[in-house]
Amino acid sequence: GQNIDQPTEMTATEGAIVQINCTYQTSGFNGLFWYQQHAGEAPTFLSYNVLDGLEEKGRFSSFLSRSKGYSYLLLKELQMKDSASYLCAVNNAGNMLTFGGGTRLMVKP
Amino acid sequence: DVKVTQSSRYLVKRTGEKVFLECVQDMDHENMFWYRQDPGLGLRLIYFSYDVKMKEKGDIPEGYSVSREKKERFSLILESASTNQTSMYLCASRQGVVGEQYFGPGTRLTVT
Repeated sequence: GQNIDQPTEMTATEGAIVQINCTYQTSGFNGLFWYQQHAGEAPTFLSYNVLDGLEEKGRFSSFLSRSKGYSYLLLKELQMKDSASYLCAVNNAGNMLTFGGGTRLMVKP
Repeated sequence: DVKVTQSSRYLVKRTGEKVFLECVQDMDHENMFWYRQDPGLGLRLIYFSYDVKMKEKGDIPEGYSVSREKKERFSLILESASTNQTSMYLCASRQGVVGEQYFGPGTRLTVT
């Protein structure tokens, strides 16, 4: 079966660092995506990891460990506009995306 | 910029009605997808298409059908809408086998 787990909600303070974890068990693995989705809007692409390690892109970084079935999204210098849902998705053997339930991040002043 | 558009942002239909949700992408992408998004369940794949007139079932195809007559357009059809099909419907497109998917703004469908 396919299973992707991430926390339902997280709260953090403006200017701080937050780490959103994602664990997965899927049939086949062809990479892991993180998307950001503001309320009422379409998901937008943040990052893609296919090899183990850390990918950094500005304030956002994403890490992957394939042996552990684990990824995290790290957001630094949090801003109010980072309040959104963050979706973890695995590209499975059929090159289809399986999504986790999403993590709703609230950034407080 | 890739643009994926959906015909309606909000739709209210009655139980038993036939419902058409339209999606158009302007980047000549081969692959197109229909998802529904429900709280706590994330996005679940209903159907996808990798070419004109080609379609494959996703994880939850029951109660839905699709049509892809032109490369840029992918339609989701609810033959007889039911209240459990009340949801947010998201269309997406992708170029190639592996790569990011580009999403439309979504259609919030309410079936009463």
